[in-house]
Amino acid sequence: QKEVEQDPGPLSVPEGAIVSLNCTYSNSAFQYFMWYRQYSRKGPELLMYTYSSGNKEDGRFTAQVDKSSKYISLFIRDSQPSDSATYLCAMRETSYDKVIFGPGTSLSVIP
Amino acid sequence: KAGVTQTPRYLIKTRGQQVTLSCSPISGHRSVSWYQQTPGQGLQFLFEYFSETQRNKGNFPGRFSGRQFSNSRSEMNVSTLELGDSALYLCASSLAGSGSGSYNEQFFGPGTRLTVL
Repeated sequence: QKEVEQDPGPLSVPEGAIVSLNCTYSNSAFQYFMWYRQYSRKGPELLMYTYSSGNKEDGRFTAQVDKSSKYISLFIRDSQPSDSATYLCAMRETSYDKVIFGPGTSLSVIP
Repeated sequence: KAGVTQTPRYLIKTRGQQVTLSCSPISGHRSVSWYQQTPGQGLQFLFEYFSETQRNKGNFPGRFSGRQFSNSRSEMNVSTLELGDSALYLCASSLAGSGSGSYNEQFFGPGTRLTVL
């Protein structure tokens, strides 16, 4: 079993839809939970990070962490074609530890 | 401020050869991490260098090695290339060492696409 699991997709939604992306993990020592977005032929870019459990909102994006269930989610509201990319969840035990990535979910937002 | 740069962007090698990839971090960043990305395994951590010392290491064979120079630039070397080494190699730089009290965000470069024939 991999340390971090993520639905691989691909996921295809119409413009304006709400998108839910999810990851599960097995290491209870993870404290930092991140979501990265990766466009084709580019490196990943950090969208959001959350420390420990709880919710965090940034514009159309909301990240949720449930440490008791070892489950994290990213919600995208009013999805746009420019949101079409691969979304990677990532985790680390401390702010300076190695980052463990999920396999990524490919998202297409259709105009 | 310039982002993370990686050279070369594309590379084709044959089995048994060795290869060296280069990463220039964002100015002022002292930590450089290397990752391998493949369709089957996803993004996997190789190693991290901070102030010229390897600070973290992933689960890759000894054929994969790296170093960091005093100007924080880093190189990664893969010896005796295998077909399975074909991948996108990404480096990421970050600002701080431990104990800064703020999140240590990593900034990724565009990657080097290595093809082993």
